[in-house]
Amino acid sequence: EDQVTQSPEALRLQEGESSSLNCSYTVSGLRGLFWYRQDPGKGPEFLFTLYSAGEEKEKERLKATLTKKESFLHITAPKPEDSATYLCAVQEGGAQKLVFGQGTRLTINP
Amino acid sequence: DAGITQSPRHKVTETGTPVTLRCHQTENHRYMYWYRQDPGHGLRLIHYSYGVKDTDKGEVSDGYSVSRSKTEDFLLTLESATSSQTSVYFCAISDYDRDQPQHFGDGTRLSIL
Repeated sequence: EDQVTQSPEALRLQEGESSSLNCSYTVSGLRGLFWYRQDPGKGPEFLFTLYSAGEEKEKERLKATLTKKESFLHITAPKPEDSATYLCAVQEGGAQKLVFGQGTRLTINP
Repeated sequence: DAGITQSPRHKVTETGTPVTLRCHQTENHRYMYWYRQDPGHGLRLIHYSYGVKDTDKGEVSDGYSVSRSKTEDFLLTLESATSSQTSVYFCAISDYDRDQPQHFGDGTRLSIL
């Protein structure tokens, strides 16, 4: 059974204080690993897809990396507008379905 | 933004009543999904559709049924709502190409008293 575990559950940072969020996964044949951002009262917003170990993708202050067992979302010099819940999901090869982790609630204080 | 509209956005109803939630897309995507999101459980797949009249069960399908009579509409029905179905429901869409991720609507907050 596919499993996704995100840590920490919540993270509070000062503006400009860089950190990383972790997503550990167990899947039979990874088709893709997805990162989403979710703001309160909104649906998840797509950020990145990673397909194979060693792959990296960047968008503004965010950088996602992938190994065979986990993915990291690095946030560099965050701003208050980066505050959100970040969700990780995996897709097994041959399937359309996503399995989500429970998310990391990130708060950036000015 | 992906053209996904969920209706209603909020609903309060009583135990035992039927409830139907609607998801409408303007992207002509093949796949549509229904998820529920609960504290401590994250997003869990209820049902999904891979074409008109083609649907399959997800992780938490008991107590729910779906229908897709047109490409653009995917309905989720709670035949007899229970308090355990109080949740936020999200619809998502995707196309077949693996480079196309799922895109989500803004959800329906359903309270069953």
